[in-house]
Amino acid sequence: GQQVMQIPQYQHVQEGEDFTTYCNSSTTLSNIQWYKQRPGGHPVFLIQLVKSGEVKKQKRLTFQFGEAKKNSSLHITATQTTDVGTYFCAGSIRVTSGTYKYIFGTGTRLKVLA
Amino acid sequence: DAGITQSPRHKVTETGTPVTLRCHQTENHRYMYWYRQDPGHGLRLIHYSYGVKDTDKGEVSDGYSVSRSKTEDFLLTLESATSSQTSVYFCAIRETGGTDTQYFGPGTRLTVL
Repeated sequence: GQQVMQIPQYQHVQEGEDFTTYCNSSTTLSNIQWYKQRPGGHPVFLIQLVKSGEVKKQKRLTFQFGEAKKNSSLHITATQTTDVGTYFCAGSIRVTSGTYKYIFGTGTRLKVLA
Repeated sequence: DAGITQSPRHKVTETGTPVTLRCHQTENHRYMYWYRQDPGHGLRLIHYSYGVKDTDKGEVSDGYSVSRSKTEDFLLTLESATSSQTSVYFCAIRETGGTDTQYFGPGTRLTVL
C-alpha cells in the first residue's frame, strides 16, 4: 500500500543548531502538508506545498517539495526551545475525482537542549 | 481550531464492549476524518467522510465503523473493543477551496483493558 516514510525518528539538538526532517513517499503526491504536534497536544497545520520543486519559508522554517513530488523536507535554522515537538508530513493521494486522503509520515520528534 | 470538539476526552473500557466516539464541528465542513495515533506509527487514517452518509475506509479500518447522519457530527464506533485499539483518536476536518488545511480536534484517549 501507499507509504510515507519519515526520517529521522528522533533528533536531539543543542539550541541554536539546525534541524532537518525528510519525508519520502512510495507514490507521487498531489500535495504535501506539514504539521507540528506539541507534547500532549494535537497536530497543528504548518504549511502545504503543491508544485513540483516548490520552496516555502516561514521565518526560520524552510519547506521543500521534490521535483518528482515524492519527497519533501523541513529545515529549521537556529532551533529554539519553542521548536520542541513532533513534526509530521502528510502526503495527499487522490482517491477518486475530487476526493483525497492523507497518508501521514511517522513523525520526527525534536528535542532542543538549552 | 475550526470549532472541533471530541467526546469523550478520556475513556477506559473493557475488551468486548462497544464504544462510540463523537466528533462535532460547527463550521459546516464537508470532509471529516478519524485517525488513530500510536507510538512509532504516527497518524493512521481509520475512516473518512466526504458528505452526509458518504464515508470510506482508510488504511486501518478493520474493527471500526463510522456514521455521518448530519454534517456536524462524525461518529466512530468500535463494535467490540480490543486491547489493540487502545490509542489516541483524533478527528479532523479539511477545508476546501484553498489550502486544504486539516484542523484536528483535541483527541480522545481510549484505553481498552
